[in-house]
Amino acid sequence: DIVMTQTPLSSPVTLGQPASISCRSSQSLVHSNGNTYLSWLQQRPGQPPRLLIYEISNRFSGVPDRFSGSGAGTDFTLKISRVEAEDVGVYYCMQGTQDPRTFGQGTKLEIK
Amino acid sequence: EVQLVQSGAEVKKPGATVKISCKVSGYTFNDYYIHWVQQAPGKGLEWMGLVDPEDDEIIYAEKFQGRVTITADTSTDTAYMELSSLRSEDTAMYYCATKDYWGQGTLVTVSS
Repeated sequence: DIVMTQTPLSSPVTLGQPASISCRSSQSLVHSNGNTYLSWLQQRPGQPPRLLIYEISNRFSGVPDRFSGSGAGTDFTLKISRVEAEDVGVYYCMQGTQDPRTFGQGTKLEIK
Repeated sequence: EVQLVQSGAEVKKPGATVKISCKVSGYTFNDYYIHWVQQAPGKGLEWMGLVDPEDDEIIYAEKFQGRVTITADTSTDTAYMELSSLRSEDTAMYYCATKDYWGQGTLVTVSS
């Protein structure tokens, strides 16, 4: 199974400041079709997860442009350019390249 | 608008079986896999398996193999996840999800 490792596990951030979360996979996430199925999910308190970013860097419909994804191969990053109060929650990376699908442990974003 | 609407909360005794439904609307049911994900209280996301409604292909995570059954009913655009031999550690929120959307979750409590 592909192991997904996120850092940090907790990220206290000041409102209006940037935040960054890293995700590393135990093997390359490049699929045989050339695509890389690395997604980022946000889970606000008491809510189901929702898709933010798919295939490394594509923002899903309705996701604010302060969220961006980057990376390649085994190393990926989610960045929030200016954190807002509504961004509080847990962020997960997830790989869809190989079954079983696997998630990172989650990174808790909180406001300082 | 895409919606995945799950059945309501369940309370079960150890050893029992639970079956959760996930009714899909807003897109062609056969077009995307339906995944099931477990989230224990205060914990991260764990992938349980998927069904391809197009051809009934099913993949289970090794952890749940033998206890989980995932099905899809194309006549009602509904997916199901059945988990048997329930134990206290199965107390969790269970989510169905497509490529981009998640259901609201179903809380299953296992208690004697």
